[in-house]
Amino acid sequence: RKEVEQDPGPFNVPEGATVAFNCTYSNSASQSFFWYRQDCRKEPKLLMSVYSSGNEDGRFTAQLNRASQYISLLIRDSKLSDSATYLCVVTWVGFKTIFGAGTRLFVKA
Amino acid sequence: SQTIHQWPATLVQPVGSPLSLECTVEGTSNPNLYWYRQAAGRGLQLLFYSIGIDQISSEVPQNLSASRPQDRQFILSSKKLLLSDSGFYLCAWAGTKDAGANVLTFGAGSRLTVL
Repeated sequence: RKEVEQDPGPFNVPEGATVAFNCTYSNSASQSFFWYRQDCRKEPKLLMSVYSSGNEDGRFTAQLNRASQYISLLIRDSKLSDSATYLCVVTWVGFKTIFGAGTRLFVKA
Repeated sequence: SQTIHQWPATLVQPVGSPLSLECTVEGTSNPNLYWYRQAAGRGLQLLFYSIGIDQISSEVPQNLSASRPQDRQFILSSKKLLLSDSGFYLCAWAGTKDAGANVLTFGAGSRLTVL
């Protein structure tokens, strides 16, 4: 089993759609959780941290289920500019930080 | 403010040649430092990480090595490159010693082509 697994997609959605990405992780002792965004041929950039209580940042909502070792990202009212690869990230005790392979999103007019 | 610099940005190297990629962080002290590699169309593979100047953890054997000669400098090296070493090499830093808040910030990356 991979340490962090994501559906690679691609997800092709129209503008204004709601889209959800899922991620599972294998290490139950994982300490911190994030979603990053990566544009083509660029470095990844932090989108948001993920907390057990769930958290929201504008159109983006992240959820963490520690019991199921599952992380999600919901994007509402998709924009063309949301087209990118979304990376699920998990840090273990000891600061080992693992990235999922990413989920590609294409938002079309 | 903190900044991270990686160089060179792009390089083309023959098989069997050596490699040295450098990463420097400014504006912080004792950062956690990371090297990742991303092959074309693939995810980020963790190569090395370091939580202190004498602490480097290796995730990938093979022909790569990492060193941290100064607190804010992280170097990735190889004595003999393989074709499979081609990829996008990314250095990242985090400023916390709390694993529950380990936010990584990346450099712009070094794109390596081995011919």
